[in-house]
Amino acid sequence: NAGVTQTPKFRILKIGQSMTLQCTQDMNHNYMYWYRQDPGMGLKLIYYSVGAGITDKGEVPNGYNVSRSTTEDFPLRLELAAPSQTSVYFCASSYVGGGHNEQFFGPGTRLTVL
Amino acid sequence: DAKTTQPTSMDCAEGRAANLPCNHSTISGNEYVYWYRQIHSQGPQYIIHGLKNNETNEMASLIITEDRKSSTLILPHATLRDTAVYYCIVRDNGGATNKLIFGTGTLLAVQP
Repeated sequence: NAGVTQTPKFRILKIGQSMTLQCTQDMNHNYMYWYRQDPGMGLKLIYYSVGAGITDKGEVPNGYNVSRSTTEDFPLRLELAAPSQTSVYFCASSYVGGGHNEQFFGPGTRLTVL
Repeated sequence: DAKTTQPTSMDCAEGRAANLPCNHSTISGNEYVYWYRQIHSQGPQYIIHGLKNNETNEMASLIITEDRKSSTLILPHATLRDTAVYYCIVRDNGGATNKLIFGTGTLLAVQP
């Protein structure tokens, strides 16, 4: 299993540009999450999904959109990039429904908005 | 979700046990204690979790006090590769989101 994969690893955007961060998991997990991590801080939840077709906001959803059309994929969309969105973005997945709900994280996407 | 308090940083000599404390005085009866770690620039990695009994796995041991208001993560023989930020998180496994609320964690520096 590849686990949770994220692309791209790095990206530089200009203010106002748009982009999609890709996230794929091959563990057949039902839950998926997007977090952001600013320098020296812990991770903050942006959006999460409990299954295909179902998404909901986390702590810091403003400026982002998500979709979950398949179990495997959970892309994060930035429509109008702002410098405040400069951060490292982590995608995670977990199986909820009978285990200890461990979250598995991807390697992250480092985004800079100039 | 209950909040946790951890020291900002700790040092440990290579080969010695690393004991990382965590206070969670407002934890409720159905909340578990989870530990994750984040090696520089990587995604967080699950270590261990527990409800009220002490737990051990291949990575670490988790000691939870009887009143459940604090816990200690023990890495029995720390290596340089254990240098990381360690997050103590309390979570209700019955919650709808299954989300993790990360604080700033403890930076453990293992010294040669």
